[in-house]
Amino acid sequence: AQKVTQAQTEISVVEKEDVTLDCVYETRDTTYYLFWYKQPPSGELVFLIRRNSFDEQNEISGRYSWNFQKSTSSFNFTITASQVVDSAVYFCASSETSGSRLTFGEGTQLTVNP
Amino acid sequence: NAGVTQTPKFQVLKTGQSMTLQCAQDMNHEYMSWYRQDPGMGLRLIHYSVGAGITDQGEVPNGYNVSRSTTEDFPLRLLSAAPSQTSVYFCASSYRPPGHSTDTQYFGPGTRLTVL
Repeated sequence: AQKVTQAQTEISVVEKEDVTLDCVYETRDTTYYLFWYKQPPSGELVFLIRRNSFDEQNEISGRYSWNFQKSTSSFNFTITASQVVDSAVYFCASSETSGSRLTFGEGTQLTVNP
Repeated sequence: NAGVTQTPKFQVLKTGQSMTLQCAQDMNHEYMSWYRQDPGMGLRLIHYSVGAGITDQGEVPNGYNVSRSTTEDFPLRLLSAAPSQTSVYFCASSYRPPGHSTDTQYFGPGTRLTVL
């Protein structure tokens, strides 16, 4: 069974600060998938990124970057120069080999203050 | 494209009542799924479907039924509502299972259900 732990329940930063959201996963599969989602105050869910277990390259998309380290079973998400619009709940998730069954972490509430 | 639509947006039921939450997508996605979101617990997978006529259970399937007679629709049925089913329900779709898809996974706006 998959398990995803987001130990940071809430994070509060001031605009323009960098912030890292932690995600630790547990799995017995050698092939698995990792995801990040954003849920802004409006409530909708937005897919941000998908990673497979064979690709440990870090990824950067604008102010967002993701660091995948199999050695520590972590898939951390960094927002550079945070903005108020980044305020949201961020969920990390994992999926087993079939890619069909997602397990979510409990989420991290990020508040970016002006 | 309308994306993923869910109806109703809000619903109040009495214990023991049954109802169907509707989910539809117009993107010709093969994979569809239902999640429930409870405070402090993230999202939990209820049921999913990898194509018309194929459904499977997720993490918390008890008390819910699904069917997938068309590619577009994936309704979720509550057979006999219980207060423990009070939650926000999200439907999602993608071309392939999320782990195998390089495309975006889309979510509906959610249905807020209260069972008294």
